[in-house]
Amino acid sequence: NAGVMQNPRHLVRRRGQEARLRCSPMKGHSHVYWYRQLPEEGLKFMVYLQKENIIDESGMPKERFSAEFPKEGPSILRIQQVVRGDSAAYFCASSPSQSSSGNTIYFGEGSWLTVV
Amino acid sequence: GNSVTQMEGPVTLSEEAFLTINCTYTATGYPSLFWYVQYPGEGLQLLLKATKADDKGSNKGFEATYRKETTSFHLEKGSVQVSDSAVYFCALTLKAAGNKLTFGGGTRVLVKP
Repeated sequence: NAGVMQNPRHLVRRRGQEARLRCSPMKGHSHVYWYRQLPEEGLKFMVYLQKENIIDESGMPKERFSAEFPKEGPSILRIQQVVRGDSAAYFCASSPSQSSSGNTIYFGEGSWLTVV
Repeated sequence: GNSVTQMEGPVTLSEEAFLTINCTYTATGYPSLFWYVQYPGEGLQLLLKATKADDKGSNKGFEATYRKETTSFHLEKGSVQVSDSAVYFCALTLKAAGNKLTFGGGTRVLVKP
């Protein structure tokens, strides 16, 4: 089952450390999306990437957060100098293209970040 | 802009009761509509979708009909089970938005035996 794979599933970081979350899209998918779910809230869009390109980062915090999707390897969401407010579930999703409004976007199981 | 509004929870039901979760949307364009379910401690799973007006999505006994005239996509299930306890998210996507999803705030459903 080659679904969207995220790792780590759970990550604990101390304030000020860096967090790296990885996402391997489904086979054949070249579009990756990152979403954040704060406790007791819905999911909020963060960033949309294609291979080697950031297409839409309108939901990314202006500082400390970055994302990449290199030509080879998984997409990475990087959070520098984490603070307690970064504690959340981070979900990655992928789709084959954006050419059809009927596309289904497939989600990974999420990475739960806890900042202590 | 685009937005999704769904009824706030928690919704508490007894087993075999009828479930309705209301969802309405605003969109600058013709969206595709989705319901996702999140079981405790797990990620999101697509429950059902509809891509055009009057389409009915259905899965696992759940149904939702795309109503363009009322901009709604209400989720229903005729007889819930304890295993349906989860958080349900209504969402939309537009091609013009690069297929990024706009989610509602989620509705927690608790089914008691």
